[in-house]
Amino acid sequence: GAGVSQSPRYKVAKRGQDVALRCDPISGHVSLFWYQQALGQGPEFLTYFQNEAQLDKSGLPSDRFFAERPEGSVSTLKIQRTQQEDSAVYLCASSLGSGTSGRTDTQYFGPGTRLTVL
Amino acid sequence: AQSVTQPDIHITVSEGASLELRCNYSYGATPYLFWYVQSPGQGLQLLLKYFSGDTLVQGIKGFEAEFKRSQSSFNLRKPSVHWSDAAEYFCAVERASNYQLIWGAGTKLIIKP
Repeated sequence: GAGVSQSPRYKVAKRGQDVALRCDPISGHVSLFWYQQALGQGPEFLTYFQNEAQLDKSGLPSDRFFAERPEGSVSTLKIQRTQQEDSAVYLCASSLGSGTSGRTDTQYFGPGTRLTVL
Repeated sequence: AQSVTQPDIHITVSEGASLELRCNYSYGATPYLFWYVQSPGQGLQLLLKYFSGDTLVQGIKGFEAEFKRSQSSFNLRKPSVHWSDAAEYFCAVERASNYQLIWGAGTKLIIKP
């Protein structure tokens, strides 16, 4: 497809399980972002990749969260030992350029993965 | 610290009526401001953005927004809403230090037939 896709769209996990969320960015897009959106809130930045390099992971809430983009295209966000507070929608976005200012580089968002931790 | 406030959690408007969604920001310098729309099952889509120059910005789908520095506001407007405009709308400001977006909590727009 032409847009950003994410899978699965919904994930239910038991507390303590590991989960992996996938993002397929728009083909050719250099930059990739992950966000966490809690219920009733706006998105919050988690991490940013430029090609395969993870240039900013300042938003990852704990060391249970890990993201990778090994070939500079598809990215996976992994959450280990899930907790109830991890329940949220996880959004992925990609942009054509090097992901600096939105003045010149629009982010295109996927539909998100809704994670529910029981 | 930079922040964005969207005072209205929900807004209900009749189809064909005008719309204004409020956004207030806190930022020390000239802000870069954005409005996004999130439809059910869809990704966030950029409606419009403001960086400098003309304070009235035109966007897609007939939306516009006006930057008012004196009021620290960037309100979104549409002259006549359509049922397809029902969605959640987010205002965001770009942090200059690392280009990250700081988002408001969103306003859910409900359209009455």
